[in-house]
Amino acid sequence: DIQMTQSPSSLSASVGDRVTITCRASQSVSKFLNWYQQRPGRAPKLLIYGASSLHSGVPSRFSGSGSGTDFSLTISGLHPEDFATYYCQQSYSSPHGFGQGTYLEIK
Amino acid sequence: QPQLQESGPGLVRPSETLSLTCAVSGDSVSNRTYYWGWIRQPPGKGLEWIGTIYYSGSKYFNPSLKSRVTIAVDTSKNHVSLELNSVTAADTAVFYCARGLWFGDFGDAFDLWGQGTLVTVSS
Repeated sequence: DIQMTQSPSSLSASVGDRVTITCRASQSVSKFLNWYQQRPGRAPKLLIYGASSLHSGVPSRFSGSGSGTDFSLTISGLHPEDFATYYCQQSYSSPHGFGQGTYLEIK
Repeated sequence: QPQLQESGPGLVRPSETLSLTCAVSGDSVSNRTYYWGWIRQPPGKGLEWIGTIYYSGSKYFNPSLKSRVTIAVDTSKNHVSLELNSVTAADTAVFYCARGLWFGDFGDAFDLWGQGTLVTVSS
Protein backbone atom coordinates (compact mmCIF):
# COMPACT_ATOMS: atom_id res chain seq x y z
CA ASP A 1 0.00 0.00 0.00
CA ILE A 2 1.09 3.58 -0.66
CA GLN A 3 1.40 5.60 2.54
CA MET A 4 0.52 9.28 2.51
CA THR A 5 2.17 11.59 5.04
CA GLN A 6 1.13 15.19 5.54
CA SER A 7 3.04 17.96 7.25
CA PRO A 8 2.54 19.75 9.42
CA SER A 9 -0.13 17.94 11.42
CA SER A 10 -1.40 21.29 12.62
CA LEU A 11 -0.81 24.88 11.67
CA SER A 12 -1.76 28.24 13.17
CA ALA A 13 -2.26 31.21 10.87
CA SER A 14 -4.12 34.49 10.59
CA VAL A 15 -6.73 35.75 8.17
CA GLY A 16 -4.92 37.00 5.09
CA ASP A 17 -1.88 34.76 5.52
CA ARG A 18 -0.50 32.46 2.86
CA VAL A 19 -0.06 28.88 4.02
CA THR A 20 1.32 25.73 2.46
CA ILE A 21 0.58 22.14 3.42
CA THR A 22 2.68 19.31 2.08
CA CYS A 23 1.88 15.69 1.31
CA ARG A 24 4.43 12.99 0.62
CA ALA A 25 3.72 9.58 -0.88
CA SER A 26 5.78 6.51 0.02
CA GLN A 27 6.16 5.82 -3.69
CA SER A 28 5.34 7.71 -6.86
CA VAL A 29 1.67 8.45 -7.49
CA SER A 30 2.44 10.42 -10.64
CA LYS A 31 -0.02 13.35 -10.62
CA PHE A 32 -2.90 11.39 -9.10
CA LEU A 33 -3.20 13.35 -5.91
CA ASN A 34 -6.33 14.99 -4.54
CA TRP A 35 -6.92 17.52 -1.76
CA TYR A 36 -10.03 17.78 0.39
CA GLN A 37 -11.20 20.29 2.96
CA GLN A 38 -13.24 19.21 5.97
CA ARG A 39 -14.90 21.73 8.23
CA PRO A 40 -15.95 20.60 11.74
CA GLY A 41 -18.99 18.38 11.68
CA ARG A 42 -19.15 18.42 7.90
CA ALA A 43 -18.33 16.01 5.11
CA PRO A 44 -15.09 16.49 3.20
CA LYS A 45 -15.19 18.64 0.10
CA LEU A 46 -13.01 18.18 -2.99
CA LEU A 47 -10.68 21.11 -3.64
CA ILE A 48 -7.99 19.90 -6.02
CA TYR A 49 -7.68 16.84 -8.26
CA GLY A 50 -4.82 15.68 -10.43
CA ALA A 51 -2.39 17.48 -8.11
CA SER A 52 -3.10 20.94 -9.51
CA SER A 53 -6.56 21.15 -11.07
CA LEU A 54 -9.06 23.27 -9.19
CA HIS A 55 -12.44 21.59 -8.75
CA SER A 56 -15.50 23.47 -9.94
CA GLY A 57 -16.60 26.21 -7.58
CA VAL A 58 -13.43 26.22 -5.49
CA PRO A 59 -11.96 29.69 -4.96
CA SER A 60 -8.80 30.52 -6.88
CA ARG A 61 -6.88 31.25 -3.67
CA PHE A 62 -6.45 27.48 -3.43
CA SER A 63 -3.73 25.94 -5.55
CA GLY A 64 -1.92 22.63 -5.74
CA SER A 65 1.40 21.52 -7.14
CA GLY A 66 3.75 18.57 -7.29
CA SER A 67 4.18 15.21 -8.92
CA GLY A 68 5.73 11.88 -8.11
CA THR A 69 6.02 11.74 -4.35
CA ASP A 70 5.91 15.36 -3.20
CA PHE A 71 2.89 17.62 -3.32
CA SER A 72 1.68 20.83 -1.78
CA LEU A 73 -1.55 22.73 -1.22
CA THR A 74 -1.28 26.50 -0.92
CA ILE A 75 -3.94 28.90 0.26
CA SER A 76 -3.10 32.46 -0.72
CA GLY A 77 -4.87 34.90 1.55
CA LEU A 78 -6.72 32.95 4.21
CA HIS A 79 -10.43 33.62 4.66
CA PRO A 80 -12.19 32.82 7.94
CA GLU A 81 -14.00 29.87 6.34
CA ASP A 82 -10.67 28.27 5.35
CA PHE A 83 -9.87 27.24 8.91
CA ALA A 84 -10.51 23.52 8.66
CA THR A 85 -8.73 20.20 8.28
CA TYR A 86 -7.15 19.33 4.96
CA TYR A 87 -6.50 15.84 3.62
CA CYS A 88 -4.55 14.57 0.64
CA GLN A 89 -5.54 11.34 -1.11
CA GLN A 90 -3.79 9.36 -3.80
CA SER A 91 -5.83 7.83 -6.63
CA TYR A 92 -2.91 6.13 -8.36
CA SER A 93 -3.42 2.66 -7.00
CA SER A 94 -5.79 0.83 -4.69
CA PRO A 95 -6.23 1.36 -1.79
CA HIS A 96 -6.77 5.08 -2.42
CA GLY A 97 -5.56 6.10 1.00
CA PHE A 98 -5.65 9.50 2.67
CA GLY A 99 -3.03 11.42 4.56
CA GLN A 100 -3.54 11.85 8.28
CA GLY A 101 -4.81 15.41 7.88
CA THR A 102 -3.55 18.92 8.61
CA TYR A 103 -5.55 21.00 11.05
CA LEU A 104 -5.46 24.69 10.17
CA GLU A 105 -6.45 26.89 13.08
CA ILE A 106 -6.78 30.58 13.65
CA LYS A 107 -3.82 32.20 15.41
CA GLN B 1 -28.78 18.87 -7.58
CA PRO B 2 -27.46 15.34 -6.92
CA GLN B 3 -27.34 14.33 -3.29
CA LEU B 4 -26.24 11.34 -1.26
CA GLN B 5 -27.85 10.32 2.03
CA GLU B 6 -26.54 7.59 4.28
CA SER B 7 -28.85 5.69 6.58
CA GLY B 8 -28.72 2.76 8.93
CA PRO B 9 -28.60 1.78 12.60
CA GLY B 10 -26.68 4.16 14.82
CA LEU B 11 -25.81 1.37 17.24
CA VAL B 12 -24.47 -2.08 16.41
CA ARG B 13 -23.53 -4.82 18.87
CA PRO B 14 -20.01 -6.25 18.84
CA SER B 15 -19.55 -9.26 16.52
CA GLU B 16 -22.66 -8.30 14.53
CA THR B 17 -22.92 -6.86 11.02
CA LEU B 18 -23.06 -3.15 10.28
CA SER B 19 -25.35 -2.41 7.35
CA LEU B 20 -25.70 1.00 5.72
CA THR B 21 -27.35 2.31 2.61
CA CYS B 22 -26.59 5.42 0.59
CA ALA B 23 -29.59 6.82 -1.26
CA VAL B 24 -28.66 8.62 -4.45
CA SER B 25 -31.01 11.39 -5.56
CA GLY B 26 -30.82 13.62 -8.59
CA ASP B 27 -28.78 11.07 -10.54
CA SER B 28 -28.63 7.36 -11.28
CA VAL B 29 -26.28 4.86 -9.68
CA SER B 30 -26.13 3.32 -13.16
CA ASN B 31 -24.57 6.45 -14.63
CA ARG B 32 -21.31 5.20 -16.16
CA THR B 33 -19.67 8.55 -15.49
CA TYR B 34 -19.37 7.72 -11.82
CA TYR B 35 -18.23 5.13 -9.35
CA TRP B 36 -19.21 4.83 -5.70
CA GLY B 37 -17.23 4.57 -2.53
CA TRP B 38 -17.36 4.36 1.24
CA ILE B 39 -15.05 6.18 3.63
CA ARG B 40 -15.09 6.19 7.41
CA GLN B 41 -13.79 8.50 10.10
CA PRO B 42 -13.42 7.41 13.73
CA PRO B 43 -14.32 10.16 16.20
CA GLY B 44 -11.57 12.78 16.29
CA LYS B 45 -9.47 10.96 13.72
CA GLY B 46 -8.73 11.03 10.01
CA LEU B 47 -10.36 9.58 6.93
CA GLU B 48 -10.05 5.90 6.08
CA TRP B 49 -10.86 4.65 2.58
CA ILE B 50 -13.03 1.52 2.82
CA GLY B 51 -13.64 0.60 -0.80
CA THR B 52 -15.19 1.39 -4.15
CA ILE B 53 -17.47 -0.20 -6.72
CA TYR B 54 -17.45 0.57 -10.43
CA TYR B 55 -20.12 0.38 -13.14
CA SER B 56 -18.44 -2.73 -14.46
CA GLY B 57 -19.02 -4.43 -11.14
CA SER B 58 -15.36 -4.33 -10.20
CA LYS B 59 -14.74 -3.71 -6.54
CA TYR B 60 -11.67 -2.66 -4.59
CA PHE B 61 -11.30 -2.76 -0.84
CA ASN B 62 -8.92 -1.59 1.83
CA PRO B 63 -6.80 -4.69 2.57
CA SER B 64 -7.26 -4.10 6.29
CA LEU B 65 -11.03 -4.50 5.90
CA LYS B 66 -11.34 -6.65 2.80
CA SER B 67 -12.30 -9.87 4.55
CA ARG B 68 -15.19 -8.18 6.34
CA VAL B 69 -16.59 -5.74 3.74
CA THR B 70 -19.30 -6.01 1.11
CA ILE B 71 -20.23 -3.12 -1.19
CA ALA B 72 -23.09 -3.37 -3.66
CA VAL B 73 -25.21 -1.23 -5.96
CA ASP B 74 -28.98 -1.69 -6.16
CA THR B 75 -30.18 -0.10 -9.37
CA SER B 76 -33.85 -0.73 -8.58
CA LYS B 77 -33.58 1.31 -5.38
CA ASN B 78 -30.91 3.67 -6.72
CA HIS B 79 -28.70 3.15 -3.73
CA VAL B 80 -25.30 1.87 -2.70
CA SER B 81 -24.89 -0.41 0.29
CA LEU B 82 -22.14 -1.25 2.73
CA GLU B 83 -21.90 -4.23 5.03
CA LEU B 84 -19.13 -4.70 7.57
CA ASN B 85 -19.27 -7.89 9.57
CA SER B 86 -17.78 -9.01 12.87
CA VAL B 87 -17.59 -5.43 14.12
CA THR B 88 -15.72 -4.32 17.22
CA ALA B 89 -15.51 -1.03 19.08
CA ALA B 90 -12.67 -0.07 16.74
CA ASP B 91 -15.22 0.14 13.93
CA THR B 92 -17.05 3.01 15.61
CA ALA B 93 -16.95 5.86 13.11
CA VAL B 94 -18.82 8.29 10.91
CA PHE B 95 -19.39 6.49 7.64
CA TYR B 96 -19.55 8.48 4.42
CA CYS B 97 -20.64 7.41 0.99
CA ALA B 98 -19.19 9.32 -1.90
CA ARG B 99 -19.44 9.60 -5.65
CA GLY B 100 -16.27 9.12 -7.62
CA LEU B 101 -15.64 10.98 -10.83
CA TRP B 102 -13.02 10.46 -13.51
CA PHE B 103 -11.25 13.58 -14.61
CA GLY B 104 -9.64 12.04 -17.66
CA ASP B 105 -5.86 12.31 -17.60
CA PHE B 106 -6.05 13.96 -14.19
CA GLY B 107 -7.18 10.86 -12.39
CA ASP B 108 -10.25 10.48 -10.24
CA ALA B 109 -11.60 11.77 -6.95
CA PHE B 110 -14.66 11.83 -4.73
CA ASP B 111 -16.52 14.90 -5.93
CA LEU B 112 -19.76 14.48 -3.97
CA TRP B 113 -20.17 13.22 -0.41
CA GLY B 114 -23.07 12.33 1.79
CA GLN B 115 -23.40 14.06 5.15
CA GLY B 116 -22.20 10.94 6.95
CA THR B 117 -23.78 8.76 9.59
CA LEU B 118 -22.32 7.87 12.98
CA VAL B 119 -22.28 4.20 13.83
CA THR B 120 -21.33 3.18 17.34
CA VAL B 121 -20.33 -0.37 18.15
CA SER B 122 -21.22 -1.14 21.72
CA SER B 123 -23.04 -3.70 23.78
